[in-house]
Amino acid sequence: SYVLTQPPSVSVAPGQTARITCGGNNIGSKSVHWYQQKPGQAPVLVVYDDSDRPSGIPERFSGSNSGNTATLTISRVEAGDEADYYCQVWDSSSDHPFGTGTKVTVL
Amino acid sequence: EVQLVESGGGLVQPGGSLRLSCAASGFTFSSYSMNWVRQAPGKGLEWVSYISSSSSTIYYADSVKGRFTISRDNAKNSLYLQMNSLRAEDTAVYYCARDLGAGTPYYMDVWGKGTTVTVSS
Repeated sequence: SYVLTQPPSVSVAPGQTARITCGGNNIGSKSVHWYQQKPGQAPVLVVYDDSDRPSGIPERFSGSNSGNTATLTISRVEAGDEADYYCQVWDSSSDHPFGTGTKVTVL
Repeated sequence: EVQLVESGGGLVQPGGSLRLSCAASGFTFSSYSMNWVRQAPGKGLEWVSYISSSSSTIYYADSVKGRFTISRDNAKNSLYLQMNSLRAEDTAVYYCARDLGAGTPYYMDVWGKGTTVTVSS
């Protein structure tokens, strides 16, 4: 089974940088995707294929992936970025493609 | 506008059945694979099932295998989830989501707003 581990919470001041990690065995060899979910809303894709952004997603959202850790970075954090964030990886050994989720709090 | 709209949720007793639907619009439904993803109250996202564009490839999470059946009708631009032998732990918001994979799950770029399923006596 392939397990994706995320920190339960990350706190960041407005204007600063938030980094959300997603740990998995040799995750650097896989494609990682990230979703943002605000309370009461459906998830929204914010990064796909490690570091690509869908149209309409601000450049402040970026991703990287190497070794055993993938990272979603949110630069110049705004109050509207407060949400839960999930990484996602498909692996044939697991039917749990989503990470545990990280709650981002803007102080 | 690309849109997915789920329906069919509701309150059902343990052991009962429910059929969810997802109506797609604004894109060529028959060209895309689809997923069902659920989220229990206060919990994270849980993938439920995947179906390829032609229905030739179908996958289920172990937690629903043998109880849930995914299907689609490309002529009606619709995705379905037949849920039988429902349990309390199936209580969740169920989302349908478009998949960018071709025959293999990949990532989900369009999501519906979800429909709520509550399993309780």
